[in-house]
Amino acid sequence: DIQMTQSPSTVSASVGDRVAITCRASQGVGTNLAWYQKKPGKVPKLLIFGASVLQTGVPSRFTGSGSGTDFTLTIRSLQPEDFATYFCQHTDIYPYTFGQGTKVDIK
Amino acid sequence: EVQLVESGGGLVQTGRSLRLSCVTSGFTFENYAMHWVRQRPGKGLEWVGGISWSSTNVAYAASLKGRFTISRDNSKNSLFLQMNRLQTDDTAVYFCAKPLTLVRGVLDSWGQGVLVSVSS
Repeated sequence: DIQMTQSPSTVSASVGDRVAITCRASQGVGTNLAWYQKKPGKVPKLLIFGASVLQTGVPSRFTGSGSGTDFTLTIRSLQPEDFATYFCQHTDIYPYTFGQGTKVDIK
Repeated sequence: EVQLVESGGGLVQTGRSLRLSCVTSGFTFENYAMHWVRQRPGKGLEWVGGISWSSTNVAYAASLKGRFTISRDNSKNSLFLQMNRLQTDDTAVYFCAKPLTLVRGVLDSWGQGVLVSVSS
């Protein structure tokens, strides 16, 4: 199975900060990589797929990059509603594993 | 509007079985593969498994294979998760999810989730 490793596990940031979260796959997954945002008590929200394609309705301050084994989710100018946990997921081959998550909390 | 509604969760003892259902509407169910994802308390998202539109291809997380079975009934726009020999580690909120059109595995619509609690 392909293992997905995110770093850091937690990032403390302030409103207006730029935040970068990385996701590394144990083997190449091309650009078959999605990012989700999860808040407590809410359903996961798709942010980015195809490593860099912004899902409809997601603010442009979210960007994704990378291919193969190394990927990055960047949030430019963090907003109050962005404090949440972020997960990457590969969709290259079964099983479609998620990363362990990165919590973005308030500094 | 796409809607996915899970049911069938609850409190169950270890070793017992439970069957979750997900009734969908707002899209042509038979055209889509479907997936189950779970989140254990205080933990991350875990892909449970997926089933192709025709039920021909079913895949599971390696750790769950053999105990969990995913099925679907296209005539009823419904997805199912049969969970056998439940363990305390299976305690989680279980979500059914629909992928984006023409993009495999990328989950853009989710049910509200159903809680499964397994006690010893």
